[in-house]
Amino acid sequence: TQLLEQSPQFLSIQEGENLTVYCNSSSVFSSLQWYRQEPGEGPVLLVTVVTGGEVKKLKRLTFQFGDARKDSSLHITAAQPGDTGLYLCAGVKPDRGSTLGRLYFGRGTQLTVWP
Amino acid sequence: EAGVVQSPRYKIIEKKQPVAFWCNPISGHNTLYWYLQNLGQGPELLIRYENEEAVDDSQLPKDRFSAERLKGVDSTLKIQPAELGDSAVYLCASSLKLAGGPYTGELFFGEGSRLTVL
Repeated sequence: TQLLEQSPQFLSIQEGENLTVYCNSSSVFSSLQWYRQEPGEGPVLLVTVVTGGEVKKLKRLTFQFGDARKDSSLHITAAQPGDTGLYLCAGVKPDRGSTLGRLYFGRGTQLTVWP
Repeated sequence: EAGVVQSPRYKIIEKKQPVAFWCNPISGHNTLYWYLQNLGQGPELLIRYENEEAVDDSQLPKDRFSAERLKGVDSTLKIQPAELGDSAVYLCASSLKLAGGPYTGELFFGEGSRLTVL
């Protein structure tokens, strides 16, 4: 069972369109990260959100952490072909056996932006 | 500064053969992770090291998988014998442990080692 559910699984849009991808869970996370992964590469961190209700903007990307810290969304404005990639959310839960929390990844949203 | 380095990038083997992957983390990063990623899926944790200690190996199939991190720097992940279902990308990541509290630091990933088992 996946702790973090991402939707949609696939998204194919034209350049200039807006889009939102979602990351949902029934669990509470101490923080949540969003990564982007391009083919043949490892994931690269885009943002970390920590506080419930927090909104962070990174140029055309807007990230929001839910008030209850169970969900998050990523909104892209005026998508460009360079935004194409696999978008992964990852939540941190305290790990009883370690001073470090444990990071749980969702399955990702594969975004394709056509010129 | 060099990123996380993994080798080999690609490996094709026949089932029942052994295979090993190597990872050199970012200098100074004390936490190292091995993840498995199937096509179009998110990474799944296999094992996490804090320095040379494996602190989370609950998802590692110990009957055929083994890992080590000698001297708390480089790490090796081994599969013996490989099965068809092991075909995937094996990602190594490292991070710097933050003082106190749950982890909130950034993971830095290598490019991965793509394994194909025939």
